Amino acid sequence: DAGITQSPRYKITETGRQVTLMCHQTWSHSYMFWYRQDLGHGLRLIYYSAAADITDKGEVPDGYVVSRSKTENFPLTLESATRSQTSVYFCASSEPWTSQETQYFGPGTRLLVL
Amino acid sequence: AQRVTQPEKLLSVFKGAPVELKCNYSYSGSPELFWYVQYSRQRLQLLLRHISRESIKGFTADLNKGETSFHLKKPFAQEEDSAMYYCALRYRDDKIIFGKGTRLHILP
Repeated sequence: DAGITQSPRYKITETGRQVTLMCHQTWSHSYMFWYRQDLGHGLRLIYYSAAADITDKGEVPDGYVVSRSKTENFPLTLESATRSQTSVYFCASSEPWTSQETQYFGPGTRLLVL
Repeated sequence: AQRVTQPEKLLSVFKGAPVELKCNYSYSGSPELFWYVQYSRQRLQLLLRHISRESIKGFTADLNKGETSFHLKKPFAQEEDSAMYYCALRYRDDKIIFGKGTRLHILP
């Protein structure tokens, strides 16, 4: 399970600040995902990436930016944090159409926006 | 549009009693369905997928295309089954949508 890590694990920030959440995987999976987990909403997809330099929006992309310059990293940036972005953020990776076609999740980043 | 519905936010079951977590989906194509579990203070992990028709930790789930359901079942609940359970639907390029989750609470 150490194959996918997230940092920081906990973050407190203020409204209007820029925050970047890091995600790193060691499996060379093609796909990477960012989800947010909120009470009453379950898991919602923010962005995903099919390969390096290929990203696409999920269900709730507004206010977030992603990049994928290297296969193993998929940082998520909140350009100007808002209180509604207080959440737990999960990164995941997968390699579809193989025996590993499940999503492997990171431990999560708990973000509080004051 | 694709949708996954888990009608119960919380399900409390006595230890030793049968468990059924409900999941209904909406998708016009051929669905691929999964159950994920998140134990307290742990990351989300795959429990089972309908393609494998497997039984993991005593849980099974059968895809019923007529009822568009993928309910998760276990005949005898154990205390260690207490967790958050998510039903998920995979479609197009490995995009996955999740239900809102059901918290299973096993009573002693």
